[in-house]
Amino acid sequence: DTAVSQTPKYLVTQMGNDKSIKCEQNLGHDTMYWYKQDSKKFLKIMFSYNNKELIINETVPNRFSPKSPDKAHLNLHINSLELGDSAVYFCASTYNNEQFFGPGTRLTVL
Amino acid sequence: AQSVTQLDSHVSVSEGTPVLLRCNYSSSYSPSLFWYVQHPNKGLQLLLKYTSAATLVKGINGFEAEFKKSETSFHLTKPSAHMSDAAEYFCVVSDPQAGTALIFGKGTTLSVSS
Repeated sequence: DTAVSQTPKYLVTQMGNDKSIKCEQNLGHDTMYWYKQDSKKFLKIMFSYNNKELIINETVPNRFSPKSPDKAHLNLHINSLELGDSAVYFCASTYNNEQFFGPGTRLTVL
Repeated sequence: AQSVTQLDSHVSVSEGTPVLLRCNYSSSYSPSLFWYVQHPNKGLQLLLKYTSAATLVKGINGFEAEFKKSETSFHLTKPSAHMSDAAEYFCVVSDPQAGTALIFGKGTTLSVSS
């Protein structure tokens, strides 16, 4: 069974559209994250949620909004997509100081 | 603030020769340090982690890293490279002020030639 899963794996869309990426973990972890990997492969934290509560919100445009319906899910909604949003987005959960990453979602904005 | 610097953006080795990927960190706290590997078009896999126990940490696939506080380094090594080791490697530090979120280095691309 996949520990941290993301859907979709690939997402191609037009500028201005609104899209969502879903993340689910079946590990029972309380804390989940979203990271963004840019075209130079640099990874940076975007959001962190602990038991459905936002605890980190880095300098991310407010077009990005995380939603946590329960502690096993942390979805990422993006409004008014821009070209610069093209990246790979990774979801992760943490336990005992170790993070478990999802397979990533490659978002391409045309 | 915590940070990591990977000293080489690209390392090339021949199969069967040693691998050294260098990482220096900056931390005001006792850091937790990690190495992650990312194969092409794949997700991130934890190679090993240091969390203030033994300074020499052994990981998967024959990799190991040594935490040296005096040098603020956490270099990754492997005695003998394999073709399958070709990938992107990230040195990572955990920021206790940020609720265990990870701070990534910029990555080192390891190429292995036959």
